[in-house]
Amino acid sequence: GGIITQTPKFLIGQEGQKLTLKCQQNFNHDTMYWYRQDSGKGLRLIYYSITENDLQKGDLSEGYDASREKKSSFSLTVTSAQKNEMAVFLCASSTGSCQNTLYFGAGTRLSVL
Amino acid sequence: AQSVTQPDARVTVSEGASLQLRCKYSYSGTPYLFWYVQYPRQGLQLLLKYYSGDPVVQGVNGFEAEFSKSNSSFHLRKASVHWSDSAVYFCVWPNQGGSAKLIFGEGTKLTVSS
Repeated sequence: GGIITQTPKFLIGQEGQKLTLKCQQNFNHDTMYWYRQDSGKGLRLIYYSITENDLQKGDLSEGYDASREKKSSFSLTVTSAQKNEMAVFLCASSTGSCQNTLYFGAGTRLSVL
Repeated sequence: AQSVTQPDARVTVSEGASLQLRCKYSYSGTPYLFWYVQYPRQGLQLLLKYYSGDPVVQGVNGFEAEFSKSNSSFHLRKASVHWSDSAVYFCVWPNQGGSAKLIFGEGTKLTVSS
């Protein structure tokens, strides 16, 4: 088995601040994902990466940067936090084929004051 | 646009009753399709997946789903729900049929009443 670890669990930021979220997986999976989940809503894909140093934009990439410097880690940066923004950011990984299971982390809960 | 749609944002059923959660897809080919579940205060987990063969696929905890190409649907079913099935259920589709870009439907929040 493996695990996906997201840090921090809770992140409080100020408007305009640059904020970085981190994700580590020990499944040795090729593909990693960042999703955003707003309260009561579905998941929206921000970025995904099919291998080390690869980045692919999702439908919600504007306002975010991502980095995949190692196979095991995938970080997400909110380039300028928006006032009163609240969301949960979920990291996931899979072996890469679209047939395969996504494994999710517990999430990072963001609040912007 | 190609997508998946879950037309019911919320569903309430009584414990012991049968359940159907709807998912419609819009894609010209035969898609891969998944159902994921998000239990309260837990991470998302795979329930079941379809990518070929028998249109009825079995998942965990007594759930099954039926793929219908004629109806462009992949509805989730359970014969008898338990209070612990209360959760949010997501239909998921790899954009353009075979890519790693996995797109989630809006989700259906299931409440099982006792």
